[in-house]
Amino acid sequence: QSALTQPASVSGSPGQSITISCTGTSSDVGVYNYVSWYQQHPGKAPKLMIYDVSNRPSGVSNRFSGCKSGNTASLTISGLQPEDEGDYYCSSYTSSSTRVFGTGTKVTVL
Amino acid sequence: QVQLVESGGGVVQPGRFLRLSCAASGFTFSSYAMHWVRQAPGKGLEWVAVISYDGSNKYYADSVKGRFTISRDNSKKTLYLEMSSLRGEDTAVYYCAREDYGEHHFDYWGQGTLVTVSS
Repeated sequence: QSALTQPASVSGSPGQSITISCTGTSSDVGVYNYVSWYQQHPGKAPKLMIYDVSNRPSGVSNRFSGCKSGNTASLTISGLQPEDEGDYYCSSYTSSSTRVFGTGTKVTVL
Repeated sequence: QVQLVESGGGVVQPGRFLRLSCAASGFTFSSYAMHWVRQAPGKGLEWVAVISYDGSNKYYADSVKGRFTISRDNSKKTLYLEMSSLRGEDTAVYYCAREDYGEHHFDYWGQGTLVTVSS
């Protein structure tokens, strides 16, 4: 049950686009389309941003999008805004019926 | 509205026992799988355990298997996490989270309860 691999930090200027990668294995990301992404602000609970690789829950901005290729999923934030700053985590269902989170990425808006 | 409220956290000595609760409201609790997720201070999220909507299936992270037990009381709309043989590395904020039937993501989270394992 090793954590999925994410870059420690990603930054961008307002209005730019950034992409966060999430690399797993053939026992999780690579075999299931059950990758989700969560945003977390300091001291707050995580918030669901993307589920099933590319679906957005109601109320989440369409500036957030997701995709997957092989063992790697990605989250793209377009038109970066100051309120997008925070920590982002991917998560996947696994072949053991468990769940696994990514290592987390700190997004900074310059 | 959906609400998940954790309780039971606090300071506990290594090797001791603690039980966390998660009170649910605003939805049909018995129709949802429920999870515990934890976050050590300054660290990332770690999935802990899941229980199916009816309590018939339970799965655990390797780091807690054999020490933690997840359970639920659908009549009380409450999720539990019994933690025994606690270690320093179990120090974390513990969140409960909801997962809809047939889905594989956490759509609602509680605000968390802090567990500190220290002598």
